[in-house]
Amino acid sequence: KNEVEQSPQNLTAQEGEFITINCSYSVGISALHWLQQHPGGGIVSLFMLSSGKKKHGRLIATINIQEKHSSLHITASHPRDSAVYICAVRSGYGGSQGNLIFGKGTKLSVKP
Amino acid sequence: GAGVSQSPSNKVTEKGKDVELRCDPISGHTALYWYRQSLGQGLEFLIYFQGNSAPDKSGLPSDRFSAERTGGSVSTLTIQRTQQEDSAVYLCASSLGGPAYEQYFGPGTRLTVT
Repeated sequence: KNEVEQSPQNLTAQEGEFITINCSYSVGISALHWLQQHPGGGIVSLFMLSSGKKKHGRLIATINIQEKHSSLHITASHPRDSAVYICAVRSGYGGSQGNLIFGKGTKLSVKP
Repeated sequence: GAGVSQSPSNKVTEKGKDVELRCDPISGHTALYWYRQSLGQGLEFLIYFQGNSAPDKSGLPSDRFSAERTGGSVSTLTIQRTQQEDSAVYLCASSLGGPAYEQYFGPGTRLTVT
């Protein structure tokens, strides 16, 4: 079993829909990252959070430490949101605190 | 300001040759990370440099892989005796401080071993 699991693997939505991408992890963490990778390959960090909720524009990220679960929400989705969304966790223990463990990503396609 | 830059953007090499991949982090960023993304696979951590501390090499897949960071700035990832399974996109990221800081990613180097 992977230490970081994302669902769904693929998601197709119509423009304007509310989107949720889920991430579950099995290790103790000090932080969780949400990354966005566009078809050209560039990766952008969207959020880094260790508790609660963060919002940036139409994007919202939440984390529940007790349940080891995080969600990324996109409100009023737009075709330009089409990308792969990657969840990554940073272990809170030991010497490998620079080591991010990545989920396999969720490929989102938003149709006009 | 300038972001993280990597060179070359693409590299095609023959099996058995050595390759060097370069990363220029954002000026002032003390932490530098190397990752690998193989076709159809997720991102994979390779190595992490933080200031003058010994690097965290726990993600390097074999002793054919090594990395240096000179003067706390530019880093070079070297792959010796390349194999076809080394074909991947190699990504570099930097952050202002340690892992508690947001990471900024470079555009990557696409390595193809023929």
